[in-house]
Amino acid sequence: DQQVKQNSPSLSVQEGRISILNCDYTNSMFDYFLWYKKYPAEGPTFLISISSIKDKNEDGRFTVFLNKSAKHLSLHIVPSQPGDSAVYFCAASGTSYGKLTFGQGTILTVHP
Amino acid sequence: DSGVTQTPKHLITATGQRVTLRCSPRSGDLSVYWYQQSLDQGLQFLIQYYNGEERAKGNILERFSAQQFPDLHSELNLSSLELGDSALYFCASSVGSGTGELFFGEGSRLTVL
Repeated sequence: DQQVKQNSPSLSVQEGRISILNCDYTNSMFDYFLWYKKYPAEGPTFLISISSIKDKNEDGRFTVFLNKSAKHLSLHIVPSQPGDSAVYFCAASGTSYGKLTFGQGTILTVHP
Repeated sequence: DSGVTQTPKHLITATGQRVTLRCSPRSGDLSVYWYQQSLDQGLQFLIQYYNGEERAKGNILERFSAQQFPDLHSELNLSSLELGDSALYFCASSVGSGTGELFFGEGSRLTVL
């Protein structure tokens, strides 16, 4: 039972363009969502988060959008840079769910 | 550097053996989480400890066990190892026990031959 799904295993984008990574969830109890970035041979690192009381959160080049009715969130990276090439994981948790539930990850490749 | 330390970084062992993975959380963090990442899989939650007590359990096999010690470091014990246990095992820590950002270590790569 995959409660958090990232349906695109990979995404390729040109430097300077927008990268859009998508994530869907099924559990209505989730109320906090996060994106993590992972480089090879490193652990995942926190990128940005959003609470269910918001529909958008911005941090520099990174913006996360939340559509609760569709149970969908997305991460926008503008402009994309080659250093953004990594695996991006979407994660979700709830107030009664201390643990994070992760999606499968999307490999982002940004070409110079 | 997340501040979470995991040892060993790499481990190769044989089927049927037992191994222990160790994690030191960030200074001040009371929660420790263990996750497993198998090939081409996302991170699967195994277990969470908060201040020495088990707080949440995920899809952790009966052959696996964990504990958190008074100094807050944690150990994940994997026994009767099978080929399918080969994976990256990540430890993460957080300040509290509820929702929030987790800080991950670099992982321990276990290979079972």
